[in-house]
Amino acid sequence: AQKVTQAQTEISVVEKEDVTLDCVYETRDTTYYLFWYKQPPSGELVFLIRRNSFDEQNEISGRYSWNFQKSTSSFNFTITASQVVDSAVYFCALSDLANQAGTALIFGKGTTLSVSS
Amino acid sequence: IAGITQAPTSQILAAGRRMTLRCTQDMRHNAMYWYRQDLGLGLRLIHYSNTAGTTGKGEVPDGYSVSRANTDDFPLTLASAVPSQTSVYFCASSLEVNNEQFFGPGTRLTVL
Repeated sequence: AQKVTQAQTEISVVEKEDVTLDCVYETRDTTYYLFWYKQPPSGELVFLIRRNSFDEQNEISGRYSWNFQKSTSSFNFTITASQVVDSAVYFCALSDLANQAGTALIFGKGTTLSVSS
Repeated sequence: IAGITQAPTSQILAAGRRMTLRCTQDMRHNAMYWYRQDLGLGLRLIHYSNTAGTTGKGEVPDGYSVSRANTDDFPLTLASAVPSQTSVYFCASSLEVNNEQFFGPGTRLTVL
């Protein structure tokens, strides 16, 4: 069965600290996609990144970086020099072709990040 | 319209009443989805539609129905609302299979 686990329910850091959000997934398929979404206090869901299972290169976008390791079925997200505006709930999600619901996403339960000044 | 919209923004509903949540996108996306978000449970798929004219059941479909008469609209209907359907409902769409999904602003529904 497909599953996404975000073991960290809540993380609190002080501004300028680096923080890593963990994501571990389970799937029986060899072709799949992984996503990260951000949900700020205003409630909307903001797409951050999509990565396919054949591309294990790490990606960096400004202060954000993602580490994809198929060997450990992990897709971790690091925020460098965190800022108060990074405070949000972050969701990791999985989509794969074996998913009974077609292209729908399977979400982890989210990690609430609080950044204080 | 720009992107994906949902209506109403919020609603308080008496148990037993029928309610339709509306979702419209103007991006000509093929696939659309309905999720519910509950504290501690994350987002769970209710129903989906991979293309106009087709729909399917997600993880938590009971008590809900959908239709996809055209590309743009994907309404979600609660035939007889119950308190356990109190939640925040998100509609989403994606262009093609496994593309990123774009989410609407959500509808906060309270069933009393």
